[in-house]
Amino acid sequence: EAQVTQNPRYLITVTGKKLTVTCSQNMNHEYMSWYRQDPGLGLRQIYYSMNVEVTDKGDVPEGYKVSRKEKRNFPLILESPSPNQTSLYFCASSRTGGSYNSPLHFGNGTRLTVT
Amino acid sequence: GQNIDQPTEMTATEGAIVQINCTYQTSGFNGLFWYQQHAGEAPTFLSYNVLDGLEEKGRFSSFLSRSKGYSYLLLKELQMKDSASYLCAVRGLAGGGNKLTFGTGTQLKVEL
Repeated sequence: EAQVTQNPRYLITVTGKKLTVTCSQNMNHEYMSWYRQDPGLGLRQIYYSMNVEVTDKGDVPEGYKVSRKEKRNFPLILESPSPNQTSLYFCASSRTGGSYNSPLHFGNGTRLTVT
Repeated sequence: GQNIDQPTEMTATEGAIVQINCTYQTSGFNGLFWYQQHAGEAPTFLSYNVLDGLEEKGRFSSFLSRSKGYSYLLLKELQMKDSASYLCAVRGLAGGGNKLTFGTGTQLKVEL
């Protein structure tokens, strides 16, 4: 089954304790992206990757890191989480190469709480 | 940059038709998407428009006017399971033409 898999689904942590949210897709998509979703603000892009070893900042990158060492994986790293990073996070992927009707496929989300 | 506006909430009756509007301003345009999102779940793709006109897909249709920066999602024969948030998203030029910028969503409540 074609899917984007995120782990964990729920995570409660304390301020300053480094964490990683994993994301993996099995559709051979070149493009991957992380979003956070907050009430009243909608989905905002954190980072994206056009292909292996190619990453770039989205609209709200502060406090986050990503890596793209393999095509299928795109982990999100919070080196020193703070309470304002409490949010619902989504990983997403799509084809590229001029296929502009290629929709984003989303993972099931990770609800992160930082105390 | 991009700016996307859609109503925050709408209520409709089971079996009826509802139209959810979306207006946008963008520096480049490579298509408009509609997604459905149930509470706490992932957004799921509903429709895509890149040319002016109406795209129909079963009970769901989506319309685009590029000159007006306007789209709507039309849901017919509403069912209780259609209660969800509907997200309008525009694909611009950023991210190699792949980035989707989302509106804040329209929460639709379907009542008996």
